Amino acid sequence: DVKVTQSSRYLVKRTGEKVFLECVQDMDHENMFWYRQDPGLGLRLIYFSYDVKMKEKGDIPEGYSVSREKKERFSLILESASTNQTSMYLCASSFPRGPGETQYFGPGTRLLVL
Amino acid sequence: SQQGEEDPQALSIQEGENATMNCSYKTSINNLQWYRQNSGRGLVHLILIRSNEREKHSGRLRVTLDTSKKSSSLLITASRAADTASYFCATPQGSNYKLTFGKGTLLTVNP
Repeated sequence: DVKVTQSSRYLVKRTGEKVFLECVQDMDHENMFWYRQDPGLGLRLIYFSYDVKMKEKGDIPEGYSVSREKKERFSLILESASTNQTSMYLCASSFPRGPGETQYFGPGTRLLVL
Repeated sequence: SQQGEEDPQALSIQEGENATMNCSYKTSINNLQWYRQNSGRGLVHLILIRSNEREKHSGRLRVTLDTSKKSSSLLITASRAADTASYFCATPQGSNYKLTFGKGTLLTVNP
């Protein structure tokens, strides 16, 4: 079974702090994704990585950056956390077999920024 | 941009009843997927249907796809309390590996 793990289930940070969210997958997937999920807005793609050191902006990249130094690990960085970044963050991975490939999700990190 | 839209937004049924959720999308696709999310957890892939398929089954799940109407439905038969979750449809975003998710249908199955 594919396993995608995220470093924390719950996280509380203060405004202005630098926040790191880590995601690790064990299936040698090339593609990895970071989403945020908010009530009424659904899942929105923040960043996408299709290979080590390669990244692509999603729909809402402002205020976020990412790092992919190893194939299995994809980090989301909030450079200076703000209250409007309070959200559920979901990481996913997939093979690059073709358009619309199935994505495998981690359990999510619920981030509260005070 | 929003591709898939689920309908209804919320559905409440009794255990043993069938639950039907619908998804409409806007542009041509080569496949459509359904995912489930239990409260406060990550999404779990349920089923993928390709554009050349009209119907697909997996256990108590039945998915249909009507490409002429740009719509799909997910039927859960003989529902159980454990089926309580949000259900999302997802469609490819262009020719790359990204997916666009709808806002989901919240299904509540009452014991």
